[in-house]
Parts: sequence; structure tokens; C-alpha cells
Amino acid sequence: EDQVTQSPEALRLQEGESSSLNCSYTVSGLRGLFWYRQDPGKGPEFLFTLYSAGEEKEKERLKATLTKKESFLHITAPKPEDSATYLCAFQGFSGGYNKLIFGAGTRLAVHP
Amino acid sequence: GAVVSQHPSWVICKSGTSVKIECRSLDFQATTMFWYRQFPKQSLMLMATSNEGSKATYEQGVEKDKFLINHASLTLSTLTVTSAHPEDSSFYICSARDPPGAGELFFGEGSRLTVL
Repeated sequence: EDQVTQSPEALRLQEGESSSLNCSYTVSGLRGLFWYRQDPGKGPEFLFTLYSAGEEKEKERLKATLTKKESFLHITAPKPEDSATYLCAFQGFSGGYNKLIFGAGTRLAVHP
Repeated sequence: GAVVSQHPSWVICKSGTSVKIECRSLDFQATTMFWYRQFPKQSLMLMATSNEGSKATYEQGVEKDKFLINHASLTLSTLTVTSAHPEDSSFYICSARDPPGAGELFFGEGSRLTVL
């Protein structure tokens, strides 16, 4: 069964303290791996899509990387405004083209 | 990125009543929209795929008579929770791809439903 697991469940950082969030997946085939940011009471905000192992994408203080079994979201010198829940999702070959399987998310809190 | 808008952002209703949630693509056309449900501190679960001009496709375990979906135009899909009960209380989020079929998935702001 296709599934995605995110770790840690929650992460507390001091402002400027870099870290990484993990998203591991077991799928029969990967069409794409997605990262989203979700603020409380809001819908997810698109961050990145990765399609193949070795691919990397960056946006401001965030960088997403992908291997054959997992993806990392690296946060460099985070600021309090980076506090949010970060969700990863994958799109496999089973279940139809449109279906994304989401992880439970990592709740990130960045303190001044 | 593309903008998907939902209305209302929150709604409180009495048990047994029906509630309609609207999802609009504001700057692009969406032949397909997706409805998700999210419980506190849990991941998003796909409920159904809404197809413009045809019937929605529901995920296993989702009652199609409870969650009525209508996709009457290329920019509007509606989710109606019929005869709502407290266990239907949740955060409902719609999404759509831009460009349609192959693009990134963009989400609406979500609608918080509380059934008393």
C-alpha cells in the first residue's frame, strides 16, 4: 500500500537555527512529490514539486530535495514567520492521476 | 500562482440541516476540482473529484448521498453536506490544477464546518 510518513511530528527551532524536515514514502511508482505550507485555519500553500531523484528546488530559506525513498525540506536560518505546518504529498501511478496522498505534516515553530 | 477561493470560510449549523460550500477558480478554468477533508492535526484526505458537466468520482468510504457535489461551470464546484451531523464537523478544502490536467495543485482557503 502506498503511504507517506513525515518526521518529526513537531519541531521547535530558535530563529536562525537551520534544520530539515523528512518525508519518506513507499510507493509503487512516483509521478511527483509535493511540498505545501499550511497556516492554522487555512488551506495549503504550494511550495515545490519534485519529479525525479536528485532533483532540488529552492525558494527563499527553503530547499527541497528528493531521493528514491525520501524527500527533505531544508530550512536555512528560519524566521518566526516560517512557523507553520509543512505537508508533503506524493502522486503515484496507482489510484489515478489526480490522487495525492498526504502525510500528516510537521508542525514547525520558530521562536525569536 | 493560481487562485482558488472558497465560501464560506466557516459555518455553524444545526444537526439535520444541509450546508453548501462553494469553490471557485478565480483566474483560470478548472474542468476538474478536488474536495478534501481534514481533521485536527491529521492529513488531508481526498473525498471526491468533481468533474465539470459530469458526475463526481467519490473515494472509497465517502457517501455520495451525504456529500453532494455539483460542478456546473468551469470555475465553480459546490459541495453540499446533507442532513449534517456533529461527526461531519471538519475542515473542508477544495483544490484545482493550473493548467488543468497537468499543472500544480492549488488549494482554497478552506471551510470550517461545525455541526451542533
